[in-house]
Amino acid sequence: QIQLVQSGVEVKRPGASVKVSCKTSGFSFSSYGFMWVRQAPGSGLEWVGWVSAWNGDTNHSENVEGRITMTTDASTKTVSLELRNLRSDDTAVYYCARGKGLPDYWGQGTLVTVSS
Amino acid sequence: AIQMTQSPSSLSASVGDSVTITCRASQNIRQDLGWYQHKPGSAPRLVIYAASTLQGGVPARISARGSGTDFTLTISSLQPEDFATYYCLHQYNYPQSFGQGTRVDIK
Repeated sequence: QIQLVQSGVEVKRPGASVKVSCKTSGFSFSSYGFMWVRQAPGSGLEWVGWVSAWNGDTNHSENVEGRITMTTDASTKTVSLELRNLRSDDTAVYYCARGKGLPDYWGQGTLVTVSS
Repeated sequence: AIQMTQSPSSLSASVGDSVTITCRASQNIRQDLGWYQHKPGSAPRLVIYAASTLQGGVPARISARGSGTDFTLTISSLQPEDFATYYCLHQYNYPQSFGQGTRVDIK
């Protein structure tokens, strides 16, 4: 069956970097793109970015401009999000999701806490 | 960037009630919109795509309509499993954006 399994909880200091991974199975990885969405405590869903597994194209939110890298690895069927120069307002649950535009399958979420 | 404005931000209803949520785009997005249901501790679930098409496995008491800038999601005869937060998401261009969410809770 289709699965997206994300890496575990992260606690980081302001200014540090974090890498969240999303290992996939059950479908043809290179035929899809992947979205990243986050939800800060007490807030709604926020679109973070999107990466194509077939050509590496990316798009991202202005809120993470200059601090984000999204990559895919077809050999391990894994999608990764790296966020640099972390700020307290980056504290959120980060979700990976399969698809372009309106994703249909989602990972379980990864809590990233940024605190001094 | 396109802004998505949802209303209301929350509502209370009883099992069996019908509720309608509105989502307005800051510019014409044709029918490039979906709706997600989100429950605490779970991943969001796609319930509607292309503004009005029901995703597979979603009960027919959920319906949606709209095009251009104005969209609605209606849940008729609310069931206990429908109590959740609902978000619209446009896919017209990048950056994509969600509405602020509408929390539907039990009266």
